[in-house]
Amino acid sequence: KQEVTQIPAALSVPEGENLVLNCSFTDSAIYNLQWFRQDPGKGLTSLLLIQSSQREQTSGRLNASLDKSSGRSTLYIAASQPGDSATYLCAVAGANSKLTFGKGITLSVRP
Amino acid sequence: DVKVTQSSRYLVKRTGEKVFLECVQDMDHENMFWYRQDPGLGLRLIYFSYDVKMKEKGDIPEGYSVSREKKERFSLILESASTNQTSMYLCASSFPFGVVSPLHFGNGTRLTVT
Repeated sequence: KQEVTQIPAALSVPEGENLVLNCSFTDSAIYNLQWFRQDPGKGLTSLLLIQSSQREQTSGRLNASLDKSSGRSTLYIAASQPGDSATYLCAVAGANSKLTFGKGITLSVRP
Repeated sequence: DVKVTQSSRYLVKRTGEKVFLECVQDMDHENMFWYRQDPGLGLRLIYFSYDVKMKEKGDIPEGYSVSREKKERFSLILESASTNQTSMYLCASSFPFGVVSPLHFGNGTRLTVT
């Protein structure tokens, strides 16, 4: 059974810092990996999707990488801002589009 | 933009009541999902559907059922609500397996069962 781990559970950084959020998964037979953002009391918003054949995807200040063989993905946030404060979840898709989610990393960016 | 709409943001129900949570998507997605989210447990899949009238159990289907009579609508039913079903419920949709498609979520329904 696929397991997805995100450590640490919470992170606090000063504004302007570049940061890396980590995600690991146990079964490398994945279809894709997705990163989401969740604001308090809201649903999840898709940030980036990396197909299993890709190594990375970029959107603005965000860059996500995927290393299937080692079961790892990272989300890089450049020049962090207070508006980036949220919970970031990664999820891996197996057969039939079913996603397994990590528990998320709650990021706080201090002004 | 894809829109996934959940009919209620907050619901308070009594133990034993039958509860309906409704979800509608406007992007003609084949796949629809119901998750619940609890502190410390993360998101857990309750049920999903690949097409109209199709449904499959997720990881925690006990105490729930679903209905998909139309492609755009996926309903979650709590047959007899219990306090351990107090949770945030999230609906999501996507294109079918084989199409590169992120999952799109609604804003969630926070259900309290007293």
